[in-house]
Amino acid sequence: DARVTQTPRHKVTEMGQEVTMRCQPILGHNTVFWYRQTMMQGLELLAYFRNRAPLDDSGMPKDRFSAEMPDATLATLKIQPSEPRDSAVYFCASGPPNVGYEQYFGPGTRLTVT
Amino acid sequence: GNSVTQMEGPVTLSEEAFLTINCTYTATGYPSLFWYVQYPGEGLQLLLKATKADDKGSNKGFEATYRKETTSFHLEKGSVQVSDSAVYFCALSNTGNQFYFGTGTSLTVIP
Repeated sequence: DARVTQTPRHKVTEMGQEVTMRCQPILGHNTVFWYRQTMMQGLELLAYFRNRAPLDDSGMPKDRFSAEMPDATLATLKIQPSEPRDSAVYFCASGPPNVGYEQYFGPGTRLTVT
Repeated sequence: GNSVTQMEGPVTLSEEAFLTINCTYTATGYPSLFWYVQYPGEGLQLLLKATKADDKGSNKGFEATYRKETTSFHLEKGSVQVSDSAVYFCALSNTGNQFYFGTGTSLTVIP
């Protein structure tokens, strides 16, 4: 049963530290999405890749966040420097190339910045 | 543009009650429509989908019909169980496979 994997599952860090979250999309999927979920804002799209190229990162604070896909099996989301307001659950999702197919979500990384 | 509006929660029902969670959408073209469910501490999981007008998606007793004339995709279940307690998200997918999610509706089913 193919799944999206995310590491770490939980991360507690101090303000100002760098945080790196990793995602392994399902093999054969060519779209990758990063979302952030908080109680206040709900589910927000941060970045969106197709064939490893960034298509939309307008939801991401550019000064501290960066998203990359070094290869087809790895997507990363970095925050540097982290701030308490970044505390949230970060989800990665992947999907096949055709419209009409669902996205598959990973279990999320719960980030707490103190 | 593309957007999804779903019923505000939270919703609290007794076990075996009938469930409706309303969802309406705005889209260009012919989107696909989805309902996702999120259980506590987990990621979103696909519950059901419909890819064209008048299609009915169904799974685990849940149903939703793609109504183009009313731009709606309401989620229904005839008899809810305690295990259905979760947050439900309506979503649409349009060209480029980007998804647009609603704000989520929290459902609590009490015995």
